[in-house]
Amino acid sequence: AQRVTQPEKLLSVFKGAPVELKCNYSYSGSPELFWYVQYSRQRLQLLLRHISRESIKGFTADLNKGETSFHLKKPFAQEEDSAMYYCALSYLGQGAQKLVFGQGTRLTINP
Amino acid sequence: NAGVTQTPKFRVLKTGQSMTLLCAQDMNHEYMYWYRQDPGMGLRLIHYSVGEGTTAKGEVPDGYNVSRLKKQNFLLGLESAAPSQTSVYFCASSYPWRRGLGYTFGSGTRLTVV
Repeated sequence: AQRVTQPEKLLSVFKGAPVELKCNYSYSGSPELFWYVQYSRQRLQLLLRHISRESIKGFTADLNKGETSFHLKKPFAQEEDSAMYYCALSYLGQGAQKLVFGQGTRLTINP
Repeated sequence: NAGVTQTPKFRVLKTGQSMTLLCAQDMNHEYMYWYRQDPGMGLRLIHYSVGEGTTAKGEVPDGYNVSRLKKQNFLLGLESAAPSQTSVYFCASSYPWRRGLGYTFGSGTRLTVV
């Protein structure tokens, strides 16, 4: 079965420090992974998709198939990065694209 | 573009009452989804639809019903609300499956059942 695990419910770092939000997945097929961000009481927004190998707001994420991981990283955290972050796995099942989400990590950047 | 719009934004229900949450999208997306968001559990899929007139069960469908009478609308119904259904509900939509395609989410409905 498809599963996404985010081992840290809470993560707190100081402004300017590096950030790494962990994500591990379980999927027998070719994985397609995303990071979504949710700022305080707002809707979820797509942050990154692994297929694009892009950097958004200074964040990057590399898919490591050997370790089944898709960790989100940023070298220097900013206060505006404080938010809830969800890792998600996309797969095609029963005729529809579905997203399975991890439990989420609440990131707090301290001044 | 409004994107995905959910109504209402907030609601308090008494146990046993019924209500319908409305999701509307103006992006001509084929697929629509209802998720619930609970602390420590992430987002869990309730029901989804791959097109007008079709619906299917997701991970946690019990206690909910849905309808997709029009392509742009996806309704989530609670026939007899229970405190366990206190949650934030998110609707999302997307085009049919294509690699790299993400979802567009609504702003959520915060539901409290007392």
